[in-house]
Amino acid sequence: QLQLQESGPRLVKPSETLSLTCTVSGDSINTNSYYWGWIRQSPVRGLEYIGSVFYSGTTYYSPSLNSRLSMSIDTSKNQFSLTLRSVTAADTAVYYCARVQGVVRPDWFDVWGQGVLVSVSS
Amino acid sequence: EIVLTQSPATLSLSPGERGILSCRASQRVPSSYVAWYQQKPGQAPRPLIYGSATRASGVPDRFSGSGTGTDFTLTISRLEPEDFAVYFCQQYGSSPLTFGGGTKVDI
Repeated sequence: QLQLQESGPRLVKPSETLSLTCTVSGDSINTNSYYWGWIRQSPVRGLEYIGSVFYSGTTYYSPSLNSRLSMSIDTSKNQFSLTLRSVTAADTAVYYCARVQGVVRPDWFDVWGQGVLVSVSS
Repeated sequence: EIVLTQSPATLSLSPGERGILSCRASQRVPSSYVAWYQQKPGQAPRPLIYGSATRASGVPDRFSGSGTGTDFTLTISRLEPEDFAVYFCQQYGSSPLTFGGGTKVDI
């Protein structure tokens, strides 16, 4: 059974960098059948798509986060990661990683991690 | 980007009743690429429908989706107690992917 688990610091200071890793178990992420993505959720902004990465390293980023965002994939560790620079309080949210249906481009999210609350505060 | 507006914000129903949830897009969603998710408190969203009308794996047939263009609907034919939750639509016909604000179905 495919499972995804987010990990990383729960508290980040303003202007610093938020880094999260998603560890996938139950299947290999080294596949051309899916993308691997990040979504966040906050009371103010609701569900917000962050971006997706393919096994080859191809990425799709939300335009609103593109200038601060990097995503990578490590097929040897069966992990993919998110880095968001210069964070503010507006980046406080529950961050989810997910498997993304789609081969040509990211489509819909069929398996989700449990989510991790990341707070931005000094 | 395509903005999705869900209505109503809250739908108050009783078990056994039918629920109809609306998702309206600010512009046509190509290929009717709309998905629906259910979210319960403290849990991640769970996929219900993709491609506007195809049920995801393991989803009961009381859930059905329809729509095309800019108007999409999720119907729950007979509400079960476990169906009281928040429902989100998402479009993937145009980049960037976007979500609606959600409809809460409560008693």
